[in-house]
Amino acid sequence: GAVVSQHPSWVICKSGTSVKIECRSLDFQATTMFWYRQFPKQSLMLMATSNEGSKATYEQGVEKDKFLINHASLTLSTLTVTSAHPEDSSFYICSARDDKPGGNQYFGPGTRLLVL
Amino acid sequence: QKEVEQDPGPLSVPEGAIVSLNCTYSNSAFQYFMWYRQYSRKGPELLMYTYSSGNKEDGRFTAQVDKSSKYISLFIRDSQPSDSATYLCAFRGGYNKLIFGAGTRLAVHP
Repeated sequence: GAVVSQHPSWVICKSGTSVKIECRSLDFQATTMFWYRQFPKQSLMLMATSNEGSKATYEQGVEKDKFLINHASLTLSTLTVTSAHPEDSSFYICSARDDKPGGNQYFGPGTRLLVL
Repeated sequence: QKEVEQDPGPLSVPEGAIVSLNCTYSNSAFQYFMWYRQYSRKGPELLMYTYSSGNKEDGRFTAQVDKSSKYISLFIRDSQPSDSATYLCAFRGGYNKLIFGAGTRLAVHP
C-alpha cells in the first residue's frame, strides 16, 4: 500500500514551453500533497503545499505564476512549469499525505525535467 | 543555527558493518521523526517513523530519538551493498510540512 505515482518520469522540452507533471496517490486519499525540487547531491526543497479544493501555498521565493498547481481531486495534484527555461531543469518530486489520522507522507518516484 | 543538521558524508563501510546515522535539530516542538532512504534518481522511501522519544526496531534497522538532546539516530545492522543510498532524516513541522536534513550518502562495499 501507500503508493504514489508521478507522470512523466522524465521529460525533455524546449525553452519557452510548458510542462505538466501529475502526482497521484494510488491507494489512499490525500487532501494535502507537496511539491519539491531537488538538485544533484542536495536535499529536497519544498516548493509548495497543494490542497484539494483550495489554492496552493507557496514557499518563499517560489513564483506561483511560474509553477502552477492544481489539486483536482483527493488523489491527483498537477504541477505545471510554465515557460520553462534551462534553469528550471531539476528533479521534481511530489509527496502525498495520507488523510487517515496520523497518516504519513509518501513520495512519488520523481520527474526529471531537462529544458534545452 | 540550522533547524536540522546532518553530516552529508559520504560514509563508506564494509559489508556486514553496523552503520550509525545521526541528525540534530533545534526545534523542541518536533514530535514526529522520520528516516527516508533515497536511491539515486528515485523518490525518497519512508524507512522508519517514530513518535516522541524512544527506540523503534524493524528488521536490521533501529531508530532512536533522544528529545532531551535533540538528537536522532538510525542504526543499520549487518549492512548490505543494497543499503547504499542517501539517508535523510525528517521532522514534521507546522502544517504537516517535512523539514529534511541534508542527507547522508552511504556506500556499503562488498
